Amino acid sequence: GDSVTQMEGPVTLSEEAFLTINCTYTATGYPSLFWYVQYPGEGLQLLLKATKADDKGSNKGFEATYRKETTSFHLEKGSVQVSDSAVYFCALSDRGSQGNLIFGKGTKLSVKP
Amino acid sequence: DAGVTQSPTHLIKTRGQHVTLRCSPISGHKSVSWYQQVLGQGPQFIFQYYEKEERGRGNFPDRFSARQFPNYSSELNVNALLLGDSALYLCASSLVRQRDEQFFGPGTRLTVL
Repeated sequence: GDSVTQMEGPVTLSEEAFLTINCTYTATGYPSLFWYVQYPGEGLQLLLKATKADDKGSNKGFEATYRKETTSFHLEKGSVQVSDSAVYFCALSDRGSQGNLIFGKGTKLSVKP
Repeated sequence: DAGVTQSPTHLIKTRGQHVTLRCSPISGHKSVSWYQQVLGQGPQFIFQYYEKEERGRGNFPDRFSARQFPNYSSELNVNALLLGDSALYLCASSLVRQRDEQFFGPGTRLTVL
């Protein structure tokens, strides 16, 4: 079945460092891809999305490009801030799953001042 | 505008008991989905309801059931609670189409003793 694999954490960075969180997927159809963020004690917030190959999603300085050839959707940010500390989830939504989200296990990011 | 709301925030039950969790979607949203998030894992899809009908079900036992009301709010019921049911239960709503963006509530933290 469909699945999402993302790099395991935790990831600890200094403020203003470059961030990459890897995400690869397996899907039989043509999924939409998402990055969600979960701050401590809160629910999930959509960070960015891409609905077709070569689309780039971006928000709040974060970017991810839908790469069909490598089945990847890696999250990047050029300069992280302490406020970016959270757990990041990669997810896909496939027509075959009726639009329901399939999540990776999450990557915890800690940014130190 | 109010986002997705869930009640209660926290709940403690003992094994064998029954629990009901409630969700109110964003105004105008007709689809509600439920997810279970075990500590340290990504959310797992449980149910999706649209226009009061079940449109999708994840790989959960029959102890889990749900329904959607005419005002599009929803309840998740879990019978015969097990220790392994301890988790954060997330509700998400979306406008209409199944591939629409899903907006998540803050969740209900269920602890089974």
